[in-house]
Amino acid sequence: DAGITQSPRYKITETGRQVTLMCHQTWSHSYMFWYRQDLGHGLRLIYYSAAADITDKGEVPDGYVVSRSKTENFPLTLESATRSQTSVYFCASSESVSLPQSNQPQHFGDGTRLSIL
Amino acid sequence: RKEVEQDPGPFNVPEGATVAFNCTYSNSASQSFFWYRQDCRKEPKLLMSVYSSGNEDGRFTAQLNRASQYISLLIRDSKLSDSATYLCVVNSQGKLTFGTGTQLKVEL
Repeated sequence: DAGITQSPRYKITETGRQVTLMCHQTWSHSYMFWYRQDLGHGLRLIYYSAAADITDKGEVPDGYVVSRSKTENFPLTLESATRSQTSVYFCASSESVSLPQSNQPQHFGDGTRLSIL
Repeated sequence: RKEVEQDPGPFNVPEGATVAFNCTYSNSASQSFFWYRQDCRKEPKLLMSVYSSGNEDGRFTAQLNRASQYISLLIRDSKLSDSATYLCVVNSQGKLTFGTGTQLKVEL
């Protein structure tokens, strides 16, 4: 089925480990996004990508790395996980949002629930 | 001041009631606006876009007041299935900023 899929759905790891969250979309959307959601903060943007090989920082990028070698994939890596990175992570995609008047919404994956012990 | 502010609620309403949520935003240059719905920490799902002239989708009506920088969502004839958290979302230069959400509980 077409859409946006995240894996794994659940992950438990230890402090200091590297962990990669995967995101794959089949819509050929230009833009992809990674958010984290924590109580009291709502959704906060970690990184986003406007196209393959183009990525940019969001509101809370520290401790995260992204890549976009193919349009359909946008993995998020925690190079050395910390307890503060325990969260629910959502990947999203949208068509071009480059126009000032763009009204394109974002479509979200099911989320990855990450716990760091 | 947060970029997007919402009353967290919860709003507890009986089935059939009309309920309204407001959301304020700080960036006057924001270009587009949305309401998303989120159930029990599942993924946010687009409920409706918000247009300057106001727009309606069934029991849901969204309005935008650019002068006062607020967005509203009105739900008529509330259903039990409307129970969820409603996220106000503002698009500024292609970046979405999410409110923390307003929780709605519709009761029998």
